Amino acid sequence: AQSVTQLGSHVSVSEGALVLLRCNYSSSVPPYLFWYVQYPNQGLQLLLKYTTGATLVKGINGFEAEFKKSETSFHLTKPSAHMSDAAEYFCAVTSMNSGNTPLVFGKGTRLSVIA
Amino acid sequence: EPEVTQTPSHQVTQMGQEVILRCVPISNHLYFYWYRQILGQKVEFLVSFYNNEISEKSEIFDDQFSVERPDGSNFTLKIRSTKLEDSAMYFCASSESLARTDTQYFGPGTRLTVL
Repeated sequence: AQSVTQLGSHVSVSEGALVLLRCNYSSSVPPYLFWYVQYPNQGLQLLLKYTTGATLVKGINGFEAEFKKSETSFHLTKPSAHMSDAAEYFCAVTSMNSGNTPLVFGKGTRLSVIA
Repeated sequence: EPEVTQTPSHQVTQMGQEVILRCVPISNHLYFYWYRQILGQKVEFLVSFYNNEISEKSEIFDDQFSVERPDGSNFTLKIRSTKLEDSAMYFCASSESLARTDTQYFGPGTRLTVL
């Protein structure tokens, strides 16, 4: 079975500082990995995804993530945090053979940005 | 930009009552999903739906749950006899295909409170 662990339920950074949100996955087959963001009172919006090919994936709003198979990680980063980045971030995993579960999510990490 | 919508945003019900959560998927999408998130826990897959049939379902999706596409636009989740533990945020999603690499687009969720 696949699983996702997001370290830190709440991360707080200063405006302009590096954002690093951690995601580790467990999968016995090549994974497809996703980061979603949820702003208050809105749906989950796709930030970026990794399926195959280049392991460094760039997404919207200046975010990027790197798939590291050896570390089973897919951490999300942004060089400089903006106040508008404050939201809940979800990492999710699936695969070609994920059984009956299209997406397996982590618990989410709430990002706060301090002025 | 097309988006998935859900109504109501918040539903309060008494234990044992039936509730229907409604979703309008993106118009050209053919695959629909329900997920839920109990407070403080992970987003969990419930069911996927295509061509008026359930494609996949999780262990959570037992006989008290049902899904339906009553017309050309709505997709509903019915809980027949609500329990306290059904209190959660319910997310609807849609995608163009069932390919695991395809992006699922999520609605803002319905918060269900069972008293």
